[in-house]
Amino acid sequence: EDQVTQSPEALRLQEGESSSLNCSYTVSGLRGLFWYRQDPGKGPEFLFTLYSAGEEKEKERLKATLTKKESFLHITAPKPEDSATYLCAVQVTDKLIFGTGTRLQVFP
Amino acid sequence: KAGVTQTPRYLIKTRGQQVTLSCSPISGHRSVSWYQQTPGQGLQFLFEYFSETQRNKGNFPGRFSGRQFSNSRSEMNVSTLELGDSALYLCASSLGSEKLFFGSGTQLSVL
Repeated sequence: EDQVTQSPEALRLQEGESSSLNCSYTVSGLRGLFWYRQDPGKGPEFLFTLYSAGEEKEKERLKATLTKKESFLHITAPKPEDSATYLCAVQVTDKLIFGTGTRLQVFP
Repeated sequence: KAGVTQTPRYLIKTRGQQVTLSCSPISGHRSVSWYQQTPGQGLQFLFEYFSETQRNKGNFPGRFSGRQFSNSRSEMNVSTLELGDSALYLCASSLGSEKLFFGSGTQLSVL
């Protein structure tokens, strides 16, 4: 069965304290891996797409990487405005399978 | 460019009733997908429509249905509501089947 697991479920960081979020997957026929950010009361907002192992994408303080079994979202020197839930999704054939997300809180 | 618009923003219904949710995609986007989001299950795929045809369907009972109109606007309907249907229902549009643009969702509460 196709499955996407994110860890940790919740993460509390001090402003400037770098860390990584994990997304591991067991699927047949990965077509792409997506990272989204979701703020309270809003829909998810697209961040990155990764297609093959070894690929990396960066945007401001965020960097996403992909291996054959997992993806990491690295957050460097986070700020309070980075607080949100980060969702990982895997595309298998024509469907997206989402993980349950990591709720990140960054304190000043 | 306007984003994905979902109406209504909040809904309160009672068990047994039915509900219709509406989604207007980004102009030019022909694919519309619907997701159910709950704290325990995360985002669960309901269905996807492309050019008025259902292209994919998730593992939800037949009480959940949808349709897409010629202007790409979409509606989803839930009949005979159950308490477990309480959730945030998200609509997303895209040009194809990859990068999704989500609306803010409709928060449905079933009492």
